[in-house]
Amino acid sequence: EAQVTQNPRYLITVTGKKLTVTCSQNMNHEYMSWYRQDPGLGLRQIYYSMNVEVTDKGDVPEGYKVSRKEKRNFPLILESPSPNQTSLYFCASSPVKVGDEQFFGPGTRLTVL
Amino acid sequence: SQQGEEDPQALSIQEGENATMNCSYKTSINNLQWYRQNSGRGLVHLILIRSNEREKHSGRLRVTLDTSKKSSSLLITASRAADTASYFCAAFWNNDMRFGAGTRLTVKP
Repeated sequence: EAQVTQNPRYLITVTGKKLTVTCSQNMNHEYMSWYRQDPGLGLRQIYYSMNVEVTDKGDVPEGYKVSRKEKRNFPLILESPSPNQTSLYFCASSPVKVGDEQFFGPGTRLTVL
Repeated sequence: SQQGEEDPQALSIQEGENATMNCSYKTSINNLQWYRQNSGRGLVHLILIRSNEREKHSGRLRVTLDTSKKSSSLLITASRAADTASYFCAAFWNNDMRFGAGTRLTVKP
């Protein structure tokens, strides 16, 4: 089944404890991105990647890191999480180019205490 | 900052009625997309309309685009209880995809 998977789906952690949220797609998509969703703010893009080893900042990159070593994987790293990073996170991928329809993962609900 | 802004923020209708949601954006666009999200779950792509298109249909969905007014509308005809969800527009321009805050649609059986 063609899909975008994220792990973990739920995570409660404490301030300063490094964490990684994994994202993987099995559709051979070139483009991948990370968003966070907060009430009343819609989705805001954190980082995106147009291909392996090519990443770029979105709207709200502060406090996050990403890497794209393989086409299928695009992990989101929070080196030192803070409570303002408590949010619902979505990974998404697109077939060929930026601006194609995006396929979203199921989301990761992160709480930073 | 948000590129797309949906209106209304919330809409409640009876099953069988039509639902219209509007989206306004601020800059030029390459395309505008509409997505649906069931509570707390991932977004699902509904329809994409390019900047040189004015109207597009997909099943019970009709999307219009007015680039002179920088606005788009999504019409869902003959709504069903299963259409209850949040609907987001996303404006794409120059490698940048920006979502609005969404319209929460409730369809009462």
